[in-house]
Amino acid sequence: DAGVIQSPRHEVTEMGQEVTLRCKPISGHDYLFWYRQTMMRGLELLIYFNNNVPIDDSGMPEDRFSAKMPNASFSTLKIQPSEPRDSAVYFCASKPDRVYRGAFFGQGTRLTVV
Amino acid sequence: GENVEQHPSTLSVQEGDSAVIKCTYSDSASNYFPWYKQELGKGPQLIIDIRSNVGEKKDQRIAVTLNKTAKHFSLHITETQPEDSAVYFCAAGYSGGGADGLTFGKGTHLIIQP
Repeated sequence: DAGVIQSPRHEVTEMGQEVTLRCKPISGHDYLFWYRQTMMRGLELLIYFNNNVPIDDSGMPEDRFSAKMPNASFSTLKIQPSEPRDSAVYFCASKPDRVYRGAFFGQGTRLTVV
Repeated sequence: GENVEQHPSTLSVQEGDSAVIKCTYSDSASNYFPWYKQELGKGPQLIIDIRSNVGEKKDQRIAVTLNKTAKHFSLHITETQPEDSAVYFCAAGYSGGGADGLTFGKGTHLIIQP
């Protein structure tokens, strides 16, 4: 298995532009998580899905952030409009079931908003 | 919500010595405690985990202990090697009731001195 695949690996965009981050979870995993990592705040859970349905989006910072999971093999995290404070590494993670199993992380997308 | 504190933020040990990283959590409902290792430019990788019904778990040179009463858990690495140098994260979460996201500590940068 190739693991969790994220794209792009790096994204540089101008303030005000729309940014879309993509994730392909591990096949067969029921849960998908989006995390954001910064030096100041560490790893923060933004949203997670179970069987493609959003379960908890309380970590999404603002309405500028939205996430979708149209099918079991694909998810997107969109920021519109982007701001410099959104600069961070965004990780997608998936896990096979809800019982005592850790999540597997992708390589992350490093987003820089200038 | 859950709050996880992790200490120390940086730990430097001589190759061959042991390293101990400690975490505390606040939510007594948390029942799952994984540890992740993150190397530069990569996503966090699950290295060991423990459930709340277990006090200790060992896997080769790494071990984790859990004290539910005191709400703290620790990672122990023995006979440290250069490849152990990385950032280590503890996490706490509740698995089995809908809240399947993890709360992470701020991380410990482990440096193995040759």
